[in-house]
Amino acid sequence: NAGVMQNPRHLVRRRGQEARLRCSPMKGHSHVYWYRQLPEEGLKFMVYLQKENIIDESGMPKERFSAEFPKEGPSILRIQQVVRGDSAAYFCASSLGGYEQFFGPGTRLTVL
Amino acid sequence: QQQVKQSPQSLIVQKGGISIINCAYENTAFDYFPWYQQFPGKGPALLIAIRPDVSEKKEGRFTISFNKSAKQFSLHIMDSQPGDSATYFCAASWDKYIFGTGTRLKVLA
Repeated sequence: NAGVMQNPRHLVRRRGQEARLRCSPMKGHSHVYWYRQLPEEGLKFMVYLQKENIIDESGMPKERFSAEFPKEGPSILRIQQVVRGDSAAYFCASSLGGYEQFFGPGTRLTVL
Repeated sequence: QQQVKQSPQSLIVQKGGISIINCAYENTAFDYFPWYQQFPGKGPALLIAIRPDVSEKKEGRFTISFNKSAKQFSLHIMDSQPGDSATYFCAASWDKYIFGTGTRLKVLA
């Protein structure tokens, strides 16, 4: 199955630590999107990347959050110095560049 | 202008009934309207989608109705089944997705 893969599925961090979330898009997809979902809420767009480029990061917090999608390897969403408010499910989606986005199973981040 | 308003927040339907979820948007630049289904602990899965040049699209038991002038679209689930119990999200897109807040559907056996 060549679906979108995310790891880890669950991640626990203490306040002040770093969290790294990885996303491998579907085979052949070069467009990756990251979304955050708080409990009982919808998904909020964070960032849109194409290979080696950030296309739109309008939904990313200005501090502590960064994303990359290198030429080789998965896309990484990095959260530095995590705080309790960062606890959420983070979803990655990929596309061929058209409208359809296919979502991964998500990473559930818990900040203690 | 970037919001997509979704209602109801929750919905209970008897098995075999019709489930109807509504969404409204403001930004006329949106040109793609997908619906996603999400089960607890899982990622959203694309259910059905429509473009604004079409007023209705049907796939199996799922139908999208689209009213361009009213800037509204809705999902109809015919013959609802307990297995349809999930959270449903509408979205609107021109380059990135703007999601509605979700509808938690429970279909009673």
